[in-house]
Amino acid sequence: GEDVEQSLFLSVREGDSSVINCTYTDSSSTYLYWYKQEPGAGLQLLTYIFSNMDMKQDQRLTVLLNKKDKHLSLRIADTQTGDSAIYFCAESIDNQGGKLIFGQGTELSVKP
Amino acid sequence: NAGVTQTPKFQVLKTGQSMTLQCAQDMNHNSMYWYRQDPGMGLRLIYYSASEGTTDKGEVPNGYNVSRLNKREFSLRLESAAPSQTSVYFCATRIGTGEKRTEAFFGQGTRLTVV
Repeated sequence: GEDVEQSLFLSVREGDSSVINCTYTDSSSTYLYWYKQEPGAGLQLLTYIFSNMDMKQDQRLTVLLNKKDKHLSLRIADTQTGDSAIYFCAESIDNQGGKLIFGQGTELSVKP
Repeated sequence: NAGVTQTPKFQVLKTGQSMTLQCAQDMNHNSMYWYRQDPGMGLRLIYYSASEGTTDKGEVPNGYNVSRLNKREFSLRLESAAPSQTSVYFCATRIGTGEKRTEAFFGQGTRLTVV
């Protein structure tokens, strides 16, 4: 079955870069997503990458995709305390009616 | 333009009671989803509906039923609540599988406690 795996916690110092990693299993995924969840709130889309791309940059965010290894990463440059949140990786399985599967979420803690 | 609205926001149930969680969207999206979020488990898909008139099981459907009442509304029913169903429930919507760039929009969640 489909599975998306992430490490649960990451702690960094303000100003450092954060790298959050994700592995997925379904090779038919068309899009892979990163979502952010702040305390007490729903999820909001941060960025996405199409499966035929290797890299996507969006301001402080860089997404890297290694399709061979089914590995996705999110790099946040110059991490700020406001970036503290839970980050979810997700894959869209379009050959199953658009099933959207999420990982466990990585809790990012940014220390001043 | 409310987006995705879930009701109620909070609920406490006794074991064995039933209830329905409601979700409504005003974005004219085809696909709707129900997830539960538990610490360390991420979001797990309970059921989804790719379009009006269809529903499919997700990863953890046992103990739940759904109804896609119309294009706007997708409800989740717990027939006989159990403490293991204590969780935060999220409804989400997407334009649909025909559109490749399909961001999911989430409701604010329903915090359910079963005692």
